[in-house]
Amino acid sequence: DAKTTQPPSMDCAEGRAANLPCNHSTISGNEYVYWYRQIHSQGPQYIIHGLKNNETNEMASLIITEDRKSSTLILPHATLRDTAVYYCIALVQIQGAQKLVFGQGTRLTINP
Amino acid sequence: DAMVIQNPRYQVTQFGKPVTLSCSQTLNHNVMYWYQQKSSQAPKLLFHYYDKDFNNEADTPDNFQSRRPNTSFCFLDIRSPGLGDAAMYLCATSRDLLTYSSYNEQFFGPGTRLTVL
Repeated sequence: DAKTTQPPSMDCAEGRAANLPCNHSTISGNEYVYWYRQIHSQGPQYIIHGLKNNETNEMASLIITEDRKSSTLILPHATLRDTAVYYCIALVQIQGAQKLVFGQGTRLTINP
Repeated sequence: DAMVIQNPRYQVTQFGKPVTLSCSQTLNHNVMYWYQQKSSQAPKLLFHYYDKDFNNEADTPDNFQSRRPNTSFCFLDIRSPGLGDAAMYLCATSRDLLTYSSYNEQFFGPGTRLTVL
């Protein structure tokens, strides 16, 4: 079962920041939080991941609370192409492989 | 620049007729995964290969098998497809976490959409 919960849907205006919340109150101390997104009819795409510290890359920022019970993915200037289902995932490592247990995700719609 | 390639993109089969889906990668990753994604649902891991070691998820039906003849290729065999097996099948790869712990993104292919008539 997924260890993360997300709102089923969100809307955001084009050009504004999109803030997607995720609750993961039961993850263990060594489990990373990953974010992927899936644009309609495509395979999931990696966005960002983190453990304790906030992270930023060219796509997004990830803010993780100090107690690690929740996190927020921030798309700083959303565009219409960011419309997708966004999955917050607690990664489980199986020796050298990684098990992604997807929850239901948040369907983000960017409106013009 | 294609990295994870799945063929065909669309596959139609008949109820009970064996079908094979193909995945290839140019990334030289030693871990390959197969996911099943039914309509309006999230992807669900079926199994993965760590090099030649096959790892099945506990709830993956016996109807689903996989082969990995070499590093680049991995196949998903559905021995007797049922109507409930209609789904998008996603292949993904990643580097070995034991060696590359700081860089462990999974790369997904575009998927094969399977229709069972």
